[in-house]
Amino acid sequence: QVQLQESGPGLVKPSETLSLTCTVSGGSINPYFWGWIRQPPGKGLEWLGYMYYSGGSNYNPSLRSRLTISLDIPKNQFSLKLSSVTAADTAKYYCARGSGLYYYHYHIDVWGKGTTVTVSS
Amino acid sequence: QSLLTQPPSVSAAPGQKVTISCSGISSNTGNNYVSWYQQLPGAAPRLLISENNKRPSGIPDRFSGSKSGTSATLDITGLQTADEANYYCATWDGGPIGGLYVFGPGTRVTVL
Repeated sequence: QVQLQESGPGLVKPSETLSLTCTVSGGSINPYFWGWIRQPPGKGLEWLGYMYYSGGSNYNPSLRSRLTISLDIPKNQFSLKLSSVTAADTAKYYCARGSGLYYYHYHIDVWGKGTTVTVSS
Repeated sequence: QSLLTQPPSVSAAPGQKVTISCSGISSNTGNNYVSWYQQLPGAAPRLLISENNKRPSGIPDRFSGSKSGTSATLDITGLQTADEANYYCATWDGGPIGGLYVFGPGTRVTVL
């Protein structure tokens, strides 16, 4: 059974880069989408983006200029980098596996437990 | 503000049925498949329904989904106290390039 585990600093200073890693265990990187979702305290879910196992990617337009998602297939890991963070980026960050034959089938079938990131000086 | 509309809350007694609606427009719910996620308090979301009406293995058949036009619906029958959670619909908005996956604002289910 596939499991995902997020790791990274829980506190990031404003204007710095938030970096998180997700380790995939119990399954293969292909042929899935690997991405990130976040949830600010007390609020709903926001999709950040994904990278497809073969290299294509798709990002939330509102974050595209600050966001990079990358895959490290030999390590069975993928990562998120969000630059120039502000307090508005404080949230619980979930890594996730997406499935679907085409983009309109896309759904998230495996979630990590999430990691809380606070942006504060 | 979400592109999708869900009622903030629904409630019913144990054993009863609740229906959660998810309304969008042609660029999202109208032309793409809808998924539903359950988020229990303090837990990560989990997939309940994909592609409008498909249940992953392990999801009880008390949960069912449907879609008509630009609206989707999640039904929960035989309501249990364990079903108290937030429920989110989600779908793709736009095309394969430049589109994004959008979540509804969530619906809180309360078992009376």
